[in-house]
Amino acid sequence: GEDVEQSLFLSVREGDSSVINCTYTDSSSTYLYWYKQEPGAGLQLLTYIFSNMDMKQDQRLTVLLNKKDKHLSLRIADTQTGDSAIYFCAERRDDYKLSFGAGTTVTVRA
Amino acid sequence: GAVVSQHPSRVICKSGTSVKIECRSLDFQATTMFWYRQFPKQSLMLMATSNEGSKATYEQGVEKDKFLINHASLTLSTLTVTSAHPEDSSFYICSASTVTGELFFGEGSRLTVL
Repeated sequence: GEDVEQSLFLSVREGDSSVINCTYTDSSSTYLYWYKQEPGAGLQLLTYIFSNMDMKQDQRLTVLLNKKDKHLSLRIADTQTGDSAIYFCAERRDDYKLSFGAGTTVTVRA
Repeated sequence: GAVVSQHPSRVICKSGTSVKIECRSLDFQATTMFWYRQFPKQSLMLMATSNEGSKATYEQGVEKDKFLINHASLTLSTLTVTSAHPEDSSFYICSASTVTGELFFGEGSRLTVL
């Protein structure tokens, strides 16, 4: 089964906020990441959060971590058309390997 | 930020031939590099972990003789898909780890085997 789970699709109106949710299973994960992938491109690191943090904000991006429930979310404020992409959450294990979710396809409509 | 370069970005080859994909860390020394495979509309699957100067560690189910990984220097790792077949067509992505554990990804290489 999947170690990291995400919803597969999200449609949002331009200007609204997007919230992408993710659950993970490894309680020993040290870092949790959000990556963005545009069509045909590699992964772009958006942000990450250390496991002892509850929240991290970076411009339009806010990451919330509920370690008790092993739940991670990414909020994108004022979503723009350029935010349309696939977003992957990932947990980092002790050996630096990342375990990825299946990705959430975000579609921004005008 | 740190840059990881993959080459080629796209390659088309005939069935039965071998293809080499390079992954370079341009401005840092990568103690460890990882190779991932991504099928269409799916997540990334870790194939192997490569440490400079030693043999790669392959994940379960990944054929070592099929996917040859060489990490000859602290800035270069290569993935060779040997005797490629259409089912090997995929998007291959590498990532490189700094000594402090930061990970940076390449742009990926799309392999199409005819």
